[in-house]
Amino acid sequence: SQQGEEDPQALSIQEGENATMNCSYKTSINNLQWYRQNSGRGLVHLILIRSNEREKHSGRLRVTLDTSKKSSSLLITASRAADTASYFCATDAISSGSARQLTFGSGTQLTVLP
Amino acid sequence: EAQVTQNPRYLITVTGKKLTVTCSQNMNHEYMSWYRQDPGLGLRQIYYSMNVEVTDKGDVPEGYKVSRKEKRNFPLILESPSPNQTSLYFCASSLLGWNRLAYNEQFFGPGTRLTVL
Repeated sequence: SQQGEEDPQALSIQEGENATMNCSYKTSINNLQWYRQNSGRGLVHLILIRSNEREKHSGRLRVTLDTSKKSSSLLITASRAADTASYFCATDAISSGSARQLTFGSGTQLTVLP
Repeated sequence: EAQVTQNPRYLITVTGKKLTVTCSQNMNHEYMSWYRQDPGLGLRQIYYSMNVEVTDKGDVPEGYKVSRKEKRNFPLILESPSPNQTSLYFCASSLLGWNRLAYNEQFFGPGTRLTVL
């Protein structure tokens, strides 16, 4: 079952604009991570935010986490054509028993037009 | 260089012919995992391993086997591949959190594109 769901599924913007992607999840989490994937290649870790954190920055990336709404957002400022990729959120949640499972959403395809 | 390697990168095979996709990491990570990625479905976890000789099913384990005899290697075995296993496969590894429950940054391999005819 998919824990994290990204929104929108696809986003197209002009270079220099900001891009915002959202992730919603269903159950309590320990942390939430964002990944980037260039077409057909492996995922690359962008940022991890823990459940007791509300906001985190890394370069042009800003991630927020609202545990009361079970949602997170990824903001990319001053986007560049090279930011064109798919972006995934990943959450770890308690599955059956005490095991924790890392679950990825289906992703947001971001296209930045030059 | 810290990395996760997968082999082969591309494979075309026929229904029923057993195959193994290898995965190796050089970062001394405890946690390793296999995912498959299909259009519109995102990444779905097949199997994962918390340490040597410790493996567990993910969301879509049917038709797959894994083993973890050494910390660095986590091969994915398809005993009798079928066309519905045509997909892009990723291996990933990471350190575990201090309580061995939280997942940290995952390092992904480059992917194996498998086609089963």
